[in-house]
Amino acid sequence: QVQLQESGPGLVKPSDTLSLTCAVSGYSINNNNWWGWIRQPPGKGLEWIGYIYYTASTYYSPSLKSRVTMSVDTSKNQFSLKLSSVTAVDTAVYYCARKDEQDYNAFDIWGQGTMVTVSS
Amino acid sequence: QSVLTQPPSASGTPGQRVTISCSGSYYNIETNPVNWYLQFPGTAPKLLIYSNSQRPSGVPDRFSGSKSGASASLAISGLLSEDEADYYCATWDDSLTGWVFGGGTKLTVL
Repeated sequence: QVQLQESGPGLVKPSDTLSLTCAVSGYSINNNNWWGWIRQPPGKGLEWIGYIYYTASTYYSPSLKSRVTMSVDTSKNQFSLKLSSVTAVDTAVYYCARKDEQDYNAFDIWGQGTMVTVSS
Repeated sequence: QSVLTQPPSASGTPGQRVTISCSGSYYNIETNPVNWYLQFPGTAPKLLIYSNSQRPSGVPDRFSGSKSGASASLAISGLLSEDEADYYCATWDDSLTGWVFGGGTKLTVL
């Protein structure tokens, strides 16, 4: 079955760049899907960060656009997120997710999430 | 402040029917299909309703969604204790050019 798994440092210093990778298994990243990142600060709601297509086309949240870079590595069947100049407000659980284009037009498969804390 | 407005909490007793609202605007809910997610503590969200009222396979028909104008609703009938979770609405916003989520509603089964 399709599985997504986030990986990356759990602790990032203020002003540094947060870097996460999402490995996709059981499904080709080259299919007709957008591959996204969504985050959730502790005790708060969900926030869409952006997504990327296998061709490297991207859409980013307007509020984060200046600090976000996403990339895709089709050879490794994975995609990545970089968020620069982080502060404490970027502390959150970061989820990667597949956006289905065929049936749902929704984020239908999610990774388990990875907690990232911004602290010195 | 979320673009989509949900009540922070809702509650009901076993067997009851509860509804959770999601209010937006012309640029999001009125113009685009709404999805609903459910999230248990410490776990990833799960797609519950897509395209306003459709259920993915495996989702019980106790869950139903609807939309009217710039508002959407999720209804849960025959409430079970296992339905206690957080529920989020989501849709595309044409003005922001991005996906927006509601603030989430914590459902308590009394």
